[in-house]
Amino acid sequence: NAGVTQTPKFRILKIGQSMTLQCAQDMNHNYMYWYRQDPGMGLKLIYYSVGAGITDKGEVPNGYNVSRSTTEDFPLRLELAAPSQTSVYFCASRPRVSTDTQYFGPGTRLTVL
Amino acid sequence: AQTVTQSQPEMSVQEAETVTLSCTYDTSESDYYLFWYKQPPSRQMILVIRQEAYKQQNATENRFSVNFQKAAKSFSLKISDSQLGDAAMYFCAYRSPSFSGNTPLVFGKGTRLSVIA
Repeated sequence: NAGVTQTPKFRILKIGQSMTLQCAQDMNHNYMYWYRQDPGMGLKLIYYSVGAGITDKGEVPNGYNVSRSTTEDFPLRLELAAPSQTSVYFCASRPRVSTDTQYFGPGTRLTVL
Repeated sequence: AQTVTQSQPEMSVQEAETVTLSCTYDTSESDYYLFWYKQPPSRQMILVIRQEAYKQQNATENRFSVNFQKAAKSFSLKISDSQLGDAAMYFCAYRSPSFSGNTPLVFGKGTRLSVIA
């Protein structure tokens, strides 16, 4: 049972480069989330999606874009990477049932130099 | 907006002893969910325990239990018979009960727990 998968695990970018962080879940969950975790801090929400074709901004969306063309996939796009985007990125999903918790992927460690 | 505060950046406990991690939160909602997540060095976020605010009984999962004080907006985690594998960052998190999906987790800054052999 794969759960929530993220690729890549690690990445180093130069300032101004772009990349896409991949996230996929095989649990048929409607809701998906992208968080970032800066050193010594808790997670902060970047973007979320309540279903295919529907996305919305979270607390820290600047510098990122998302899309949700299928239920399974929720990629996060970084355009013009900046050092401030150095962080660990977590994707999470949960089913529609309100009482259920979120399931997290293993994270992607991104460094922008 | 809801906020979650963990006032202990670091804690340590002797193996086999008991430790309590503190968490307070601020909300105007009457119904919500509270969670404790464990993040070991592997960075994986692992759910430890959850509490639904409308339930008065404190949640328990094996060696992990919570002390939920709704009026005081306090949600502490007690780890009994601490083991070396309990060493990790622990995050307290809050979630609103909305069915719309616009209910991300709001995290505290975490408490780093060390277990001394």
